[in-house]
Amino acid sequence: GQQVMQIPQYQHVQEGEDFTTYCNSSTTLSNIQWYKQRPGGHPVFLIQLVKSGEVKKQKRLTFQFGEAKKNSSLHITATQTTDVGTYFCAGAALFSGGYNKLIFGAGTRLAVHP
Amino acid sequence: DVKVTQSSRYLVKRTGEKVFLECVQDMDHENMFWYRQDPGLGLRLIYFSYDVKMKEKGDIPEGYSVSREKKERFSLILESASTNQTSMYLCASSQPGLGELFFGEGSRLTVL
Repeated sequence: GQQVMQIPQYQHVQEGEDFTTYCNSSTTLSNIQWYKQRPGGHPVFLIQLVKSGEVKKQKRLTFQFGEAKKNSSLHITATQTTDVGTYFCAGAALFSGGYNKLIFGAGTRLAVHP
Repeated sequence: DVKVTQSSRYLVKRTGEKVFLECVQDMDHENMFWYRQDPGLGLRLIYFSYDVKMKEKGDIPEGYSVSREKKERFSLILESASTNQTSMYLCASSQPGLGELFFGEGSRLTVL
């Protein structure tokens, strides 16, 4: 089963509304990364969080890493049509198999209506 | 500018055919990955490699194999393609330590 869970699967907002996607792991993560994939494109790195409780901001985007390093969120303030795409979290951990791996969540597809 | 290049953007193959997907990166990265992307399932790790000649199974390796003879090249092989392998395949690379992944444009494979 999925080792990194991400919700919601889909979110539809009016331009100017806020948006949040959540990511949860059953395993303590060494880091968590966020990617954005525009329609028809490939995933592009947004940010990496490493420290427990870390909060980082990029303009209207706020990223948080939980205290237990098992969950994370991405919040977009006042969405714009340019925010459209699918947002993926990816957790790095010693998952089964003996090697550190980067496991992706299923993604949240964001639709923004003008 | 950093680059990960996948050999084919679109392929159509028949059931039972052998399929090669090639990936080359020009960043001298140690780590290379193959993911497949399906709607509602996100990116699932097929195989990864942290060094030349090294390869490890990801979460869904069944039906696939890989080759890493040179640092810059990581190939995904479908020995006998099946219809359930119809998908988008994404190659990525990174420096050691599992930091930022750089993705290729993807290869959309259809198996008939």
